[in-house]
Amino acid sequence: DQQVKQNSPSLSVQEGRISILNCDYTNSMFDYFLWYKKYPAEGPTFLISISSIKDKNEDGRFTVFLNKSAKHLSLHIVPSQPGDSAVYFCAATLNDYKLSFGAGTTVTVRA
Amino acid sequence: EAQVTQNPRYLITVTGKKLTVTCSQNMNHEYMSWYRQDPGLGLRQIYYSMNVEVTDKGDVPEGYKVSRKEKRNFPLILESPSPNQTSLYFCASRPGDREADTQYFGPGTRLTVL
Repeated sequence: DQQVKQNSPSLSVQEGRISILNCDYTNSMFDYFLWYKKYPAEGPTFLISISSIKDKNEDGRFTVFLNKSAKHLSLHIVPSQPGDSAVYFCAATLNDYKLSFGAGTTVTVRA
Repeated sequence: EAQVTQNPRYLITVTGKKLTVTCSQNMNHEYMSWYRQDPGLGLRQIYYSMNVEVTDKGDVPEGYKVSRKEKRNFPLILESPSPNQTSLYFCASRPGDREADTQYFGPGTRLTVL
């Protein structure tokens, strides 16, 4: 049973607007969360992360929010750019060696 | 250039024919891992290795073997492939003392088992 879930398989957003990607997890022991970005024919690349002791982490246009009580995290991309069109994976870990990934959300940024 | 390489990139084989997918990294990383990506399931960890001669199972190890005889190489072995192992496979590596966000992924190997 998947412990990390991304319930929206796709998201379409206009260039310049905000993209919000959601992720839910079931294991309350997870203590570190990550977002990866993946282009076709390439491996995933790290985007941003957050420790369970924080509720927000920003890096440029990307912000991750963590709500531990709801076991929910989200990734905000502001403003969205055409180069942001990719598959985004949410991941979580509790011992830093085993990573559990969600199914991914395909983001399409429209011009 | 720092990178993780996988070979082959594409492979079509038949059920039961043993195969090996190689993975090599040039960053002197201690930790290496294998994942498979399937539609609707995302990436699932198959095996990981914390250092030479130290390996452990991920979430979906059945039907796979690994070995870590040298730091730079972490081959994935399918002794008797079956059609349900048709998937996109990724190898990854990172320094052992760093958090998961320093993980580098290879470009992927698309395997089809007929």
